[in-house]
Amino acid sequence: GQSLEQPSEVTAVEGAIVQINCTYQTSGFYGLSWYQQHDGGAPTFLSYNALDGLEETGRFSSFLSRSDSYGYLLLQELQMKDSASYFCAVSSGSSASKIIFGSGTRLSIRP
Amino acid sequence: EAGVVQSPRYKIIEKKQPVAFWCNPISGHNTLYWYRQNLGQGPELLIRYENEEAVDDSQLPKDRFSAERLKGVDSTLKIQPAELGDSAVYLCASSGPGQGSHGYTFGSGTRLTVV
Repeated sequence: GQSLEQPSEVTAVEGAIVQINCTYQTSGFYGLSWYQQHDGGAPTFLSYNALDGLEETGRFSSFLSRSDSYGYLLLQELQMKDSASYFCAVSSGSSASKIIFGSGTRLSIRP
Repeated sequence: EAGVVQSPRYKIIEKKQPVAFWCNPISGHNTLYWYRQNLGQGPELLIRYENEEAVDDSQLPKDRFSAERLKGVDSTLKIQPAELGDSAVYLCASSGPGQGSHGYTFGSGTRLTVV
């Protein structure tokens, strides 16, 4: 089967850095994705890692270690608008087109 | 470019009644997904279409749920009869050929409340 684990809640201070971890178990692993979802909104794609290492996109970075079945999302220079739920998701199946989501981490930013 | 369009945005029905949700994916996206998201949880895959073919419906409760994707474009998800436990947000998403690694585009979802 497939499973993902991530913390349910994280709190951080505006301007700081926060790391959201994700561990997974799956067969036929292709890659790890991260999505952001604000309350009442749709999940939006943030990043994807297929190979080990760090991918950087502006204030957000994502890391993958395939040997450890582990990844994380790093958010820098936190802003109040970053308060949202963040989901890690594993891709499997042909063309990496099957994606299974974790339960999400609710990130709260305080001034 | 228009995103993934879903309707209705909200739906309240009594238990045992039927309900249907509609999704129009991004033009050219051959893969379409229906997810269900309960409060405080991640999206749970119900069914995945490659063009008009359902290639993964293992998580779809087939006794009451059905879906179709005519002509490989729009899709409809139906529940009949609805139960209280079906209350959730139903999300549609699409991706283009070989874009599975680039993420899905989700619609805004249909929030279903069964009373």
